[in-house]
Amino acid sequence: EAGVTQSPTHLIKTRGQQATLRCSPISGHTSVYWYQQALGLGLQFLLWYDEGEERNRGNFPPRFSGRQFPNYSSELNVNALELEDSALYLCASSLDRGGSNQPQHFGDGTRLSIL
Amino acid sequence: AQTVTQSQPEMSVQEAETVTLSCTYDTSESNYYLFWYKQPPSRQMILVIRQEAYKQQNATENRFSVNFQKAAKSFSLKISDSQLGDTAMYFCAFMKHDGGSQGNLIFGKGTKLSVKP
Repeated sequence: EAGVTQSPTHLIKTRGQQATLRCSPISGHTSVYWYQQALGLGLQFLLWYDEGEERNRGNFPPRFSGRQFPNYSSELNVNALELEDSALYLCASSLDRGGSNQPQHFGDGTRLSIL
Repeated sequence: AQTVTQSQPEMSVQEAETVTLSCTYDTSESNYYLFWYKQPPSRQMILVIRQEAYKQQNATENRFSVNFQKAAKSFSLKISDSQLGDTAMYFCAFMKHDGGSQGNLIFGKGTKLSVKP
């Protein structure tokens, strides 16, 4: 069974640009979660999508947005990039809505570097 | 708001020995889940063990076991017979059991464990 896959592995952008990160969940999983792992800040919850809808959002500005497609894959978009957006972005998926009964499974992440 | 605290930024252990990683959390919820994830240098976060708060019995998974003290809001991870492959960052995480209305894991800052030969 293929795990959660994320692309690209590494993304280099400059301030003010836009970045798009992609995630494919494990087959059969309908919930997708995005987390930011920044140096010194630990893992912070960004967004949760289930059945194509945004279900919950962490404490991040609106320039962090995303969507979930009918095949349950997801995109995270970050507009007007700032230096502090440099981080590892992890995507996770779960079999059930919310991931409490079934745990979240993580991908390898996308390393976003802002120059 | 829930918080998760891991007070040991770094730990080391000799191969084949036992090590315990500490985690405390703060919540007013009565029903929730607790998790330990490991993140090796290869980056992928892997679930190690899960505990449901309403279960008094401590969860075990092979060499990994937890000591769950609900009243003390403590959730430590014990790794027995440590192996070189256990070298990783270990994260303690909390999730409310609220029918999936929030979905997010709340993570501690992590403990970097090094297993030495």
